[in-house]
This record gives sequence, C-alpha cells and structure tokens, in this order.
Amino acid sequence: QSVLTQPPSASGTPGQRVTISCSGSSSNIGSNPVNWYQQLPGTAPKLLMYSNNKRPSGVPDRFSGSKSGTSASLAISGLQSEDEADYFCAAWDDSLNGHYVFGTGTKVTVL
Amino acid sequence: QVQLQESAPGLVKPSETLSLTCAVSGGSFSNYYWCWIRQPPGKGLEWIGYMYYSGSTNYNPSLKSRVTMSVDTSKNQFSLKLSSVTAADTAVYYCARGRSGITPPFDFWGQGTLVTVSS
Repeated sequence: QSVLTQPPSASGTPGQRVTISCSGSSSNIGSNPVNWYQQLPGTAPKLLMYSNNKRPSGVPDRFSGSKSGTSASLAISGLQSEDEADYFCAAWDDSLNGHYVFGTGTKVTVL
Repeated sequence: QVQLQESAPGLVKPSETLSLTCAVSGGSFSNYYWCWIRQPPGKGLEWIGYMYYSGSTNYNPSLKSRVTMSVDTSKNQFSLKLSSVTAADTAVYYCARGRSGITPPFDFWGQGTLVTVSS
C-alpha cells in the first residue's frame, strides 16, 4: 500500500498546464528528496525528475518539479499528446529502517 | 548506453519460489544500487528492494521475510528470489539501476517481465 497519495487522474487540452500533487508525511517527503517517473502505456517507467526539481538529460523543460513541506508537485506546461501517461512520485521513507515508497499514480489524459 | 534485461519463468506455482535475473550491459556495476520493482496488472509500482554493488541490501518491510537478492559482478547480473508466492505476487517485475542519493533515482530500467502465480 502506497504512503504517497496522488490524485487518480488529471487532464487538459493541448497547450494547457497540468499539475499533479503528491502528498506524504514527515518521514518521507518531509525529510527526503522526491523523484518522479513517467510511464507511457505498455512501457517501463522512465525517470522524469529527481531531487525534487532536477531534470535528467533529454527531459523537456516543460516538466518542472517542486516540494514544500510534506507535499510535492509535478507541473507539465504546454501539454502535448505524447504526455498522456501515468505519473508516479517516489521518496525514501525513514520509518521501518528506511525504505523506498512510490505514490499511488496519476493518469494524465490529453483531451 | 546502459541496458537491463530481466529473465524469469512466466508461470510459477503457489507456495514455490520465484527466481528472476537481470543482466546489465553497457555500464559499470560499481557505485550503483541494483533494484527490483514490481507492478501488479493495472496497479501502481511497488519497490521490492535493492542491493548496493558492494553487497549490502535493503528490502521492502512488507516483503522482507520472503526476499533474497544477490549480485554476480563477474557476470554483470543480479538476482531476486521471492519465496512462498501467492496470486498476490502476480505482477510485471522490473529491474532498475539506482544512482547514489538519499532517494536514489532509478535512471535505467529493464523492459519488465510478467510473472503469473497460478496452479
């Protein structure tokens, strides 16, 4: 069971800005950096953002990340059809001797 | 370019042990975390655990009693054993590489392999 909560879905029209939230607690997001993964249909997840707001090489700057307290957000500006995918946040959790936790996932639909 | 490739039996019987191997090519084994993540059909991601290249491990507390990971640096591969499987362990299993960091980012992933637990 995930300890990071995300909205199950989000949507927008091409060109719009979409924001996905990820809510955690003091033992995970409140204490540790957040990563984000994008999973296109039928494929393996891909690292989209790390250390809250850093983009790996090749990830468009339309994607941005932020963190405040025990919550994090991923924003997609200038939404494109190829952004239709599932998005998962993730963080290290300091409880129970430490372990990695993923968010519940958000399905982004481009209308 | 780093590539990871899982191999596993597609079908495992309940109560048996599931064994998976991940072959790594195109990069060094050192200074990385070698990880297993799974995804039940239509559901979210679950971290199973990782093994640092030096051999130290960290497992998901909910699976810890059934998980064993190992690494064979001479073959550039690492493995997962999950014992006493049930239908709840049916999932796509991914191997991935984790970079150093407090929350290790998993920057390269295998394509995933579906393992079904059924008699």
